[in-house]
Amino acid sequence: GIQVEQSPPDLILQEGANSTLRCNFSDSVNNLQWFHQNPWGQLINLFYIPSGTKQNGRLSATTVATERYSLLYISSSQTTDSGVYFCAVEQVYSGGGADGLTFGKGTHLIIQP
Amino acid sequence: AAGVIQSPRHLIKEKRETATLKCYPIPRHDTVYWYQQGPGQDPQFLISFYEKMQSDKGSIPDRFSAQQFSDYHSELNMSSLELGDSALYFCASSGQPGQARGETEKLFFGSGTQLSVL
Repeated sequence: GIQVEQSPPDLILQEGANSTLRCNFSDSVNNLQWFHQNPWGQLINLFYIPSGTKQNGRLSATTVATERYSLLYISSSQTTDSGVYFCAVEQVYSGGGADGLTFGKGTHLIIQP
Repeated sequence: AAGVIQSPRHLIKEKRETATLKCYPIPRHDTVYWYQQGPGQDPQFLISFYEKMQSDKGSIPDRFSAQQFSDYHSELNMSSLELGDSALYFCASSGQPGQARGETEKLFFGSGTQLSVL
């Protein structure tokens, strides 16, 4: 199956700092999503971004599908940004159906006040 | 806006017992997914349903089964529970007919059911 690698595994920053999280994947994908799991365990969908660039407030994401990586940018970090950020992908598949996403191991982000 | 509803929020069972988890997807979403997340792990895909038909299977044990009902809610049935089944179980839904591609593909997760097997 497809391999998803996220880096860095852990990141500690001061409030106000900017950060870049990376997701590499081993095969072509037709679905890539970024999620934030907050300290209470909730999984929040940040972006659906199989290619191109999107922005939502202080967050933006870019996926370069031909080079098999995606980046998540967080600017002006706040303590509420703490948690685990997951990249999840669906491999290009010739069949139909609702295939499950394969998650990376995540980046554990801590924002200190 | 309505979200994915899961029940119960917490569940404690003994080994070899059975458990049933319930999921109510976002209204008009046509696809339901079940994921299992162990402590400190990433979510692992178990099974999905599209329009009440099983669509894809992941790493779901044979002791587990799931179904989606006519009202689109889904249940995950777990039998002969083992200590290793202790995990956070998420349900997610996606898809809304008429939406542009991209919006229909986004997964929205419920708050999860924390299962503890003693």
